Amino acid sequence: ETGVTQTPRHLVMGMTNKKSLKCEQHLGHNAMYWYKQSAKKPLELMFVYSLEERVENNSVPSRFSPECPNSSHLFLHLHTLQPEDSALYLCASSQTTNEQFFGPGTRLTVL
Amino acid sequence: AQSVTQPDIHITVSEGASLELRCNYSYGATPYLFWYVQSPGQGLQLLLKYFSGDTLVQGIKGFEAEFKRSQSSFNLRKPSVHWSDAAEYFCAVGSGGYQKVTFGTGTKLQVIP
Repeated sequence: ETGVTQTPRHLVMGMTNKKSLKCEQHLGHNAMYWYKQSAKKPLELMFVYSLEERVENNSVPSRFSPECPNSSHLFLHLHTLQPEDSALYLCASSQTTNEQFFGPGTRLTVL
Repeated sequence: AQSVTQPDIHITVSEGASLELRCNYSYGATPYLFWYVQSPGQGLQLLLKYFSGDTLVQGIKGFEAEFKRSQSSFNLRKPSVHWSDAAEYFCAVGSGGYQKVTFGTGTKLQVIP
């Protein structure tokens, strides 16, 4: 595998379910990001992990919980989501400058 | 606070015609500027970037962009569009650190025969 991979590519879940999104980067980068992409809205930065430090967007609800066990792996744990959380969730990684490399995304549908 | 404006939500061009996608940014210092492309169901792919130096930047797939500080613009151009260029294009501005890259709302490009 090369670049940034994300699994699963598609996920359908009920509001009471708990699921996790996984991201893995094979680029040797030291920062990883979660973005939410909703129709007709700008890309929304949710979380950044940089050199083991987590930076988050304060507007992200607590039902989204990130985990970054090492510099190559990033998870987004989901629980008790709402229908408005349905979106494309993109993972990205970078090294030094802002140039970010994106994964293909996970299309999430909350019923 | 930094911001990016892409004034055109949707653009349609004929195959073989030239293309210019507009991007205006707001940032206090010298910005880091990017153009990304997203095909349906895919993530974003970097087309080109500007950090410093020559204000005309060449990217992949025959795209180029010009940084104009006086106009706070970073417009994307291609002299001859191919049908495979149909996608959504995002301009972004960053500060040089890890944290803050602000994306525009995107311009959807349609290419007609």
